[in-house]
Amino acid sequence: LAKTTQPISMDSYEGQEVNITCSHNNIATNDYITWYQQFPSQGPRFIIQGYKTKVTNEVASLFIPADRKSSTLSLPRVSLSDTAVYYCLVAGMDSSYKLIFGSGTRLLVRP
Amino acid sequence: NAGVTQTPKFQVLKTGQSMTLQCAQDMNHNSMYWYRQDPGMGLRLIYYSASEGTTDKGEVPNGYNVSRLNKREFSLRLESAAPSQTSVYFCASSEPTGRHPNTEAFFGQGTRLTVV
Repeated sequence: LAKTTQPISMDSYEGQEVNITCSHNNIATNDYITWYQQFPSQGPRFIIQGYKTKVTNEVASLFIPADRKSSTLSLPRVSLSDTAVYYCLVAGMDSSYKLIFGSGTRLLVRP
Repeated sequence: NAGVTQTPKFQVLKTGQSMTLQCAQDMNHNSMYWYRQDPGMGLRLIYYSASEGTTDKGEVPNGYNVSRLNKREFSLRLESAAPSQTSVYFCASSEPTGRHPNTEAFFGQGTRLTVV
């Protein structure tokens, strides 16, 4: 299973763009990259999924370089409500879709 | 539309007692998962079921058993609870599909279990 590595924590201020990078050097050909958000006392919530290049939705953008060994979650103009833990996962057909969460990145957004 | 429902929401057990955590989903998903989350830590996969009738161990299966009762329900059993099993337990479901998998999992609200 591809292991992921993320920064333990990040700080930002309201209105700034936040980029969280995840390393997944052993990603398999059929694996997809998925990001989740978790607030205290809640289960994780899906944010975005991608395979290569760039994916954008109403919440975030996901940038994946050609070698797919890393990915960057971009949160535009964060607000206090974006304070949460963000998890990067790598999963797909080769891993039987086992969803393995790492330790995540704790993002603190300050006023 | 309830999504993923876990029962109970809270439970206190004495060491050595047994209990079953229940999980049901109404999204017709094939895959279901059980995770535990210790304070300040990430989620760790206990068991998962890729489809009805199949179960497989995750990262931390020791001390747990599971049953995929049908497509909707996936239960987690602690046969002899230990203080080390004090945690928040999350159930999730997803619908991975072929060459373009959907790795979007939907989570329940969690069960807070304390073993004293």
